[in-house]
Amino acid sequence: DQQVKQNSPSLSVQEGRISILNCDYTNSMFDYFLWYKKYPAEGPTFLISISSIKDKNEDGRFTVFLNKSAKHLSLHIVPSQPGDSAVYFCAASEYLAGSNYKLTFGKGTLLTVNP
Amino acid sequence: EPEVTQTPSHQVTQMGQEVILRCVPISNHLYFYWYRQILGQKVEFLVSFYNNEISEKSEIFDDQFSVERPDGSNFTLKIRSTKLEDSAMYFCASTGQGGYEQYFGPGTRLTVT
Repeated sequence: DQQVKQNSPSLSVQEGRISILNCDYTNSMFDYFLWYKKYPAEGPTFLISISSIKDKNEDGRFTVFLNKSAKHLSLHIVPSQPGDSAVYFCAASEYLAGSNYKLTFGKGTLLTVNP
Repeated sequence: EPEVTQTPSHQVTQMGQEVILRCVPISNHLYFYWYRQILGQKVEFLVSFYNNEISEKSEIFDDQFSVERPDGSNFTLKIRSTKLEDSAMYFCASTGQGGYEQYFGPGTRLTVT
């Protein structure tokens, strides 16, 4: 079951440059898409989200783009900082009954930002 | 800033034993979830819980698993008779009314020997 795919297990960028993390999905019923950041021995931390009816959402250094026709989203971090080094998970939200949502995660991409 | 907490951080148990993993969700949240991550694999949905009942569960969440909100603050996951393949990180998450952003706890690492 690979409804959410992150095809790059790792990405390495220089400090100050742009980091682009990609995610593909297959289920058209997903209504929100979220990015989580995870450090070792910690839980996933919510970063940014986008509704399926939007194509862009920006929050500071983080921007998420959604291409619904291609079933593709990406997270842009600019400028990248060494503290951004972590595993980034793409997650897709599916509405359940009663204002309840279930998340389906990708496998994650390990981002390393080199000073 | 409010956060989800989980105890214990690490639990080692023998196969066949019962374990209870505990979570304290964010205080005004209404929807509660358990996820797990087996080493090297994806974070997988186990169960969602609202209004004192299960709203959705995955095929992983079989009769060996149960959840409970025994009081106004705790949310527990019980595994009745642990198997080796239950070894994983278990994450609790919660969200507020109308929210889709789930906030995760730090996880409990369960090791079944």
